[in-house]
Amino acid sequence: KAGVTQTPRYLIKTRGQQVTLSCSPISGHRSVSWYQQTPGQGLQFLFEYFSETQRNKGNFPGRFSGRQFSNSRSEMNVSTLELGDSALYLCASSPTGEINQPQHFGDGTRLSIL
Amino acid sequence: GENVEQHPSTLSVQEGDSAVIKCTYSDSASNYFPWYKQELGKGPQLIIDIRSNVGEKKDQRIAVTLNKTAKHFSLHITETQPEDSAVYFCAASTLQPSGTYKYIFGTGTRLKVLA
Repeated sequence: KAGVTQTPRYLIKTRGQQVTLSCSPISGHRSVSWYQQTPGQGLQFLFEYFSETQRNKGNFPGRFSGRQFSNSRSEMNVSTLELGDSALYLCASSPTGEINQPQHFGDGTRLSIL
Repeated sequence: GENVEQHPSTLSVQEGDSAVIKCTYSDSASNYFPWYKQELGKGPQLIIDIRSNVGEKKDQRIAVTLNKTAKHFSLHITETQPEDSAVYFCAASTLQPSGTYKYIFGTGTRLKVLA
C-alpha cells in the first residue's frame, strides 16, 4: 500500500510570492491534516479536511488556505509569502480522522523563502 | 489552550543503555497518545500509541506508560541501538468544537545513541 505522497519535496520562493503544495493520502483515507514544522516551534497544526470540507483549523493567518478534492487529495496554498514561512510542511492522513486513529505522515515539502 | 510539554530536548545514551522521554499534557479529556520517530529527511513515523484505558503498552524494545491522574506519559526504549538515533515526538488528542479531534505535539527529543 503506497504511503502519503507530498509534492514537490523542495521549493524555493521569494517574499510576496504564493505557493501551492500537494498531498495524496493513503488509498482509502479521507481525512487529511496539514502541519508546519520549524526547529523552534515543532509541529504546528494548520488545518484538517474531510470529505472536501475543512473540519478543524489551527491558529494561522488567512494567508494559509487549503482544499480537498473528491478523491481525497489535498492542496495547501500560502499567499504573500514571508521569510517566517520557511519550514517543512507535512501532510498526514487517517481513515476518518476519528479519535484513536493514528495519522500517517508524508515526508514533507521543504519550503525556503529568500 | 491545549499544550504538551516534552523533556528532555536532547538525550545521549550509550549503545545498549535505556532511554526515557517524558511528556505532560494539559487537556484532561485527552485519551489517545501516539509517539512518532522522525529520521533526517523523513516525515514522522508512528512507533507506538496508547489509549487512556491502558496504563502500559510494550512492543519489543519500546514501551509507553500513561498516568492519567498526573497527566503524563513516557516512552521507554531498552537496549538502544545506533539506528534508534532520531527525533521523537509525543502527541495528545484534543477534542475540537466540531466534535472531532486533533493532535497536539510535543517539541521533540533528539536522541543520540553512541556506539
